[in-house]
Amino acid sequence: QVQLQESGPGLVKPSETLSLTCTVSGGSVRSGIYYWSWIRQPPGKGLEWIGHISYSGTTNYNPSLKSRVTISVDTSKNQFSLKLNSVTAADTAVYYCARVVPAPGGGWFDPWGQGTLVTVSS
Amino acid sequence: DIQMTQSPSSVSASIGDRVTITCRASQGISSWLAWYQQKPGKAPYLLIYAASSLQSGVPSRFSGSGSGTDFTLTISSLQPEDFATYSCQQANSFPLTFGGGTKVEIK
Repeated sequence: QVQLQESGPGLVKPSETLSLTCTVSGGSVRSGIYYWSWIRQPPGKGLEWIGHISYSGTTNYNPSLKSRVTISVDTSKNQFSLKLNSVTAADTAVYYCARVVPAPGGGWFDPWGQGTLVTVSS
Repeated sequence: DIQMTQSPSSVSASIGDRVTITCRASQGISSWLAWYQQKPGKAPYLLIYAASSLQSGVPSRFSGSGSGTDFTLTISSLQPEDFATYSCQQANSFPLTFGGGTKVEIK
């Protein structure tokens, strides 16, 4: 059974870079079937898809964040990572990693990591 | 971007009630829609994909229907563990987008 676990700092200063890692267990990021995604949820608000990556490194980003986002994959560690630069208070959210089950136009998310709260504050 | 609009934003219901939640897409998405359940402090959990396919392990009291722009999630007989927030997500085109959520509360 695939499990995902986010890790990284819970507090980031404004204008700095948010960095998170998702470790996959019980499965492999090398699977050619799935993509690997980041999604966030500001406190009390809805879910926002950030982007995803394939095992080969092909990425797809939300245009609203594309200029600030980098998602990468490390197959040797069975991990994938998120970097979001120039953060502001608006980037405060619970960040989730998830496996993407592909569908012709995108895909759905299953399973999800437990999520990690990242607060942007000085 | 495809906008996903859910209604109602919240619903109060009793154990055993039938609950229906609606999700409307701003443009046609065929059957490329998923539903998630989220409990406080927890990650979303996939209930239904492709509009009406029940994810493995999900109780049969959950069902989904619809295609094009209008979709529904139905809980046929509400159980105590079903009090949660439910969100729809379109998987038709990028960027993938979610509805704002519907909170199912105890009456």
